[in-house]
Amino acid sequence: RKEVEQDPGPFNVPEGATVAFNCTYSNSASQSFFWYRQDCRKEPKLLMSVYSSGNEDGRFTAQLNRASQYISLLIRDSKLSDSATYLCVVNMFSGGYNKLIFGAGTRLAVHP
Amino acid sequence: DTAVSQTPKYLVTQMGNDKSIKCEQNLGHDTMYWYKQDSKKFLKIMFSYNNKELIINETVPNRFSPKSPDKAHLNLHINSLELGDSAVYFCASSQEIGAGNSPLHFGNGTRLTVT
Repeated sequence: RKEVEQDPGPFNVPEGATVAFNCTYSNSASQSFFWYRQDCRKEPKLLMSVYSSGNEDGRFTAQLNRASQYISLLIRDSKLSDSATYLCVVNMFSGGYNKLIFGAGTRLAVHP
Repeated sequence: DTAVSQTPKYLVTQMGNDKSIKCEQNLGHDTMYWYKQDSKKFLKIMFSYNNKELIINETVPNRFSPKSPDKAHLNLHINSLELGDSAVYFCASSQEIGAGNSPLHFGNGTRLTVT
């Protein structure tokens, strides 16, 4: 099982749609979770952290389910500018240090 | 501008050559990283330095040698380049190692093509 697994997509949605991505992780000891956004041929950028109680930032909502070891990202009222790859990121403590493990990403394409 | 900057942006070279990628951050961060993103888009950590000290060294061929002259710089030297080294290499920095409340700030990547 991969350490962090995501549906690669692409998710093709019209403007204004609501779309949700899930991500599963293998290490039950992981404590920190993030969503990053990567535009085509650009560097990844932090979108939001994911907290145990769930958190919201404008049109974006992130949820964590520790029992099932998955995190989710919900985007409401999709905009054309939301088109990007969304990377699920989970920390892992291994070999005496923390490191961040990236999923392969879920591609979102929002069309007019 | 405060940022993580890496050079060159594009690097095309032949198998067997030696090349270097440079990275600098002026965010005052203590930790710097090299990540590799292959054709399948997986971002994998290669190395991490904290205050010039090597902290993370994943299973990377020893043809790859990072060097950190000070905590604001982390360069990557690659010897005897192979076709499989073709990828995008991202430098990143963070205030502390790993996660917590310290996000990664990435440079804009170096697209390496080995022919």
